Parts: sequence; structure tokens; C-alpha cells
Amino acid sequence: QKEVEQDPGPLSVPEGAIVSLNCTYSNSAFQYFMWYRQYSRKGPELLMYTYSSGNKEDGRFTAQVDKSSKYISLFIRDSQPSDSATYLCAMRGRDDKIIFGKGTRLHILP
Amino acid sequence: KAGVTQTPRYLIKTRGQQVTLSCSPISGHRSVSWYQQTPGQGLQFLFEYFSETQRNKGNFPGRFSGRQFSNSRSEMNVSTLELGDSALYLCASSSKVGQSLVEAFFGQGTRLTVV
Repeated sequence: QKEVEQDPGPLSVPEGAIVSLNCTYSNSAFQYFMWYRQYSRKGPELLMYTYSSGNKEDGRFTAQVDKSSKYISLFIRDSQPSDSATYLCAMRGRDDKIIFGKGTRLHILP
Repeated sequence: KAGVTQTPRYLIKTRGQQVTLSCSPISGHRSVSWYQQTPGQGLQFLFEYFSETQRNKGNFPGRFSGRQFSNSRSEMNVSTLELGDSALYLCASSSKVGQSLVEAFFGQGTRLTVV
């Protein structure tokens, strides 16, 4: 079983819809949970991070972590065509190594 | 504030050759990490340097090596290139080390093609 699992997509949704992106993980030592966005031909950029369980909101983005289920989510409200990108979840444990999911390709249809 | 700068952006090499990639972190950042990104494997951690010392290493063969200079700039080297080394190599810098080393800022990467 891979440490971090993420559905590669592609996920296509109409503009204005709520998008739900998810990752599961197997290592209970992970403490930090991050979401990165990567546009084509660019490096990943950090969107949000959460320490331990709970929710965090930043504008149209909400990150959720459920450590009991080893499941994290990123919700995007009022999705825009500019949100079309690959979204990578990432996790970090006490050893400081960041483990990335393979990314979900998201297409927002105008 | 300038971002993370990686050079060159694109590189084509022949099997068996070696290659050196360069990364200049954000000013003031002392931690530099390297990643390999491929469609099949995604982003995989290569190594991390802080103050010229390797702090962490991923599961890559010894052909992959790196170093960091006193000005925090970092280089990674791949020797005896194989076709499977074709990938986007990304560098990330951070201002923190140890606990809460979370906010990593990535460069645009170097696209290496091995033919």
C-alpha cells in the first residue's frame, strides 16, 4: 500500500460548482497536511496546510483532515476556470520528509 | 522578493552522460530540497540540505547526489544517465528547519530529457 493515495482524475466540473479533492494515507505519523496547486509547466505552489486534525478555511478553499480515518480533503467553492490545474496533497511526519500524492488533474468548464 | 531560481530550464543529454542542475533559493532561506517529478511516479523526494549538510535523503540510487554551498545555493548531479531519469527536477526552499518545516516554495524546475 502506498503511503499516500490520490485519484489522478481528470476531474471535470462546471464553473461555479463545489469541487472536492481527496487523499488517503497509511502512515499515522504524519502531522502536517498540505495542498499544492501546479499549473502546467510550473512548479507546485502551496495553497494551504493543516497541522493535525480539523478544518482550515482560506477564501474559497477549505482543507479538512480526519486523522482517525487517515483521510484529507480540499474543497473549492465557486470554482473558476483559473482553478484548472493539478492539485497535489502532501504530508510530513517527524522525519521532515514530505510525501506527495500523484496529483489530481482538475478542469473547470466555463 | 525573488523566487526560487533553477537553471537550466531545459536540458537534453545522452545516456551515460552526467548532468548538474542548479538551484538558487529565496534570499534568506537556508533549506533546499530536491524532487523528481514524472507522470508515473509523481513527485518523489530526492534529498534536503540545510547549512551545507544533507539532512534527509530519499530512496534514489547513488548516481543522484547533491551539495549546498555557503550561500545556500544548491546543485544536484546525476551521473551515468539512464532513459528513466528523464523528468522534471524541482527544487524547493524554506526558511525553517525541523518542526513546522512546511512552507516550501518551488522553482519552475529543470526539464531533463535523456535520449
